[in-house]
Amino acid sequence: EDKVVQSPLSLVVHEGDTVTLNCSYEVTNFRSLLWYKQEKKAPTFLFMLTSSGIEKKSGRLSSILDKKELFSILNITATQTGDSAIYLCAVGVNAGKSTFGDGTTLTVKP
Amino acid sequence: NAGVTQTPKFRVLKTGQSMTLLCAQDMNHEYMYWYRQDPGMGLRLIHYSVGEGTTAKGEVPDGYNVSRLKKQNFLLGLESAAPSQTSVYFCASLRSIQETQYFGPGTRLLVL
Repeated sequence: EDKVVQSPLSLVVHEGDTVTLNCSYEVTNFRSLLWYKQEKKAPTFLFMLTSSGIEKKSGRLSSILDKKELFSILNITATQTGDSAIYLCAVGVNAGKSTFGDGTTLTVKP
Repeated sequence: NAGVTQTPKFRVLKTGQSMTLLCAQDMNHEYMYWYRQDPGMGLRLIHYSVGEGTTAKGEVPDGYNVSRLKKQNFLLGLESAAPSQTSVYFCASLRSIQETQYFGPGTRLLVL
């Protein structure tokens, strides 16, 4: 059975802090690892990672994949209150399906 | 382009009632998916389709049926709703497996 585990389940930080969110996985037919941000509506896409060791970056967010150790991290630097959301990790498998973790709820306090 | 749309946005059902959720996409995508999301959990795949006329079971298919008679539409049916089916339902579509899924806005379903 495919499995995606995210940690921590929740996190409270103050504006300006840096956070690291973790995602480990055990799946068959790995194709990609995806990160989404969810704010009380549909998930919005952040990153797709397919190769180990290559960092993807978008503004204050960055992510990297380790296919040997089967995990990924999402870093957010200089956090802002607008970063408060649920961050979902998913692994893309065959037929375009995705297996999701339960998410990390990030709260950024002013 | 409207992208992925879902109908209805919110619905209340009584136990035992039936209903159909409609997902429509105008991007000519081959693949379509139905997920459910319960509080504190990620999305779980109910059923999916890899093309018009095809359907397949996902992780949590029990109590649901689907149909993909037209490429642009993917219908999710509940024949006899149960309180355990109270959830938020998301539809997604995908052009190719090298790309990312496009999600609809979600349907909130409450079964009393």
